[in-house]
Amino acid sequence: KAGVTQTPRYLIKTRGQQVTLSCSPISGHRSVSWYQQTPGQGLQFLFEYFSETQRNKGNFPGRFSGRQFSNSRSEMNVSTLELGDSALYLCASSSGTVTDTQYFGPGTRLTVL
Amino acid sequence: GESVGLHLPTLSVQEGDNSIINCAYSNSASDYFIWYKQESGKGPQFIIDIRSNMDKRQGQRVTVLLNKTVKHLSLQIAATQPGDSAVYFCAERADTGRRALTFGSGTRLQVQP
Repeated sequence: KAGVTQTPRYLIKTRGQQVTLSCSPISGHRSVSWYQQTPGQGLQFLFEYFSETQRNKGNFPGRFSGRQFSNSRSEMNVSTLELGDSALYLCASSSGTVTDTQYFGPGTRLTVL
Repeated sequence: GESVGLHLPTLSVQEGDNSIINCAYSNSASDYFIWYKQESGKGPQFIIDIRSNMDKRQGQRVTVLLNKTVKHLSLQIAATQPGDSAVYFCAERADTGRRALTFGSGTRLQVQP
């Protein structure tokens, strides 16, 4: 079974721009969660989507948004980029059931200049 | 590769020794705990998990111990190998209604040949 895939792997943007990151979960998984990883703050939960609905949300500003499609693929968008948004963005997929385990993709490294 | 933490605690062990990585979790209501391994340039990789109704769980060369009284989790790696060198994170989930994981700050394991 193929793992979680994320595209692109690397991205460079400038302040004020917006960016869209994509995640394809493991086949059959319906839950996709997004995390931000920085050296200073570590791994922090952004949001989770299940069956095209946002089920949980972390403490991030409204500039961070996401969506999920009917095939469970998910995108996250960051608008009006700030320097502090430079991070590794990780996507994790799971079946969405009570006993599920989250499996992570390789991440997208975003650099904001 | 990515820097997952600038000032991570580091555990240095000799190849073939056993390693013990510790983690203190914060939420007494957490019901599910996971250990992840992250190598440079990769996303977190699932190692082993344990539910709050258990004290110990064993996998291949790894054992997780849970002490709910003091909110402590440990990962034991038997016969540590150079390929075990990575950053290890513990993660907790506060309740089954949420998929959001709260991650610890991580421990860097260095295996000396």
